[in-house]
Amino acid sequence: GESVGLHLPTLSVQEGDNSIINCAYSNSASDYFIWYKQESGKGPQFIIDIRSNMDKRQGQRVTVLLNKTVKHLSLQIAATQPGDSAVYFCAENPWGSGGGADGLTFGKGTHLIIQP
Amino acid sequence: EAQVTQNPRYLITVTGKKLTVTCSQNMNHEYMSWYRQDPGLGLRQIYYSMNVEVTDKGDVPEGYKVSRKEKRNFPLILESPSPNQTSLYFCASSLSWAGHFGDGTRLSIL
Repeated sequence: GESVGLHLPTLSVQEGDNSIINCAYSNSASDYFIWYKQESGKGPQFIIDIRSNMDKRQGQRVTVLLNKTVKHLSLQIAATQPGDSAVYFCAENPWGSGGGADGLTFGKGTHLIIQP
Repeated sequence: EAQVTQNPRYLITVTGKKLTVTCSQNMNHEYMSWYRQDPGLGLRQIYYSMNVEVTDKGDVPEGYKVSRKEKRNFPLILESPSPNQTSLYFCASSLSWAGHFGDGTRLSIL
């Protein structure tokens, strides 16, 4: 069954505000997590990843937080822009380094809507 | 430019008529996968391949076949398509864990 899920199917934010997209996972053995962005008519695009030996990782305008105690993952997008409008998926690899895209389990996605 | 290319991008066909969706990557990746994406169900893996001539079932392999005769190509074959295979399909390739995805193939089986 689905082991990775999103708390909200749709998130609406004002342009310029920060966005926080949440994800819960159930497999405590998972040691690698990824956030993807999917724009309309396109395939998922890698945003940022994090391993289970970290609790925070930052990229350009994005931060991923991992709370292993409650099995929770979040994606923070700073100063949200119109181009951030997309569906965001979290994914986990419960098999650790044995994976590749073959080992990923995806959440159902959150649609981020940017209000002008 | 690193690319995963799927063809066709759109196809409408009829039940029982064999079809093949091609997937090609130019990154020399060993891992390749096929997913289907359905509303409310997210991305589900159909088949994956860890290298040439090595393929394995994912979560929803029924009704599909794949082959991996060369590293760059990983076609998805529907021998006898049925309406429940109407979906959006994505091919992905990866070197380590995070996949590069193609832009999708929308199949409609009537």
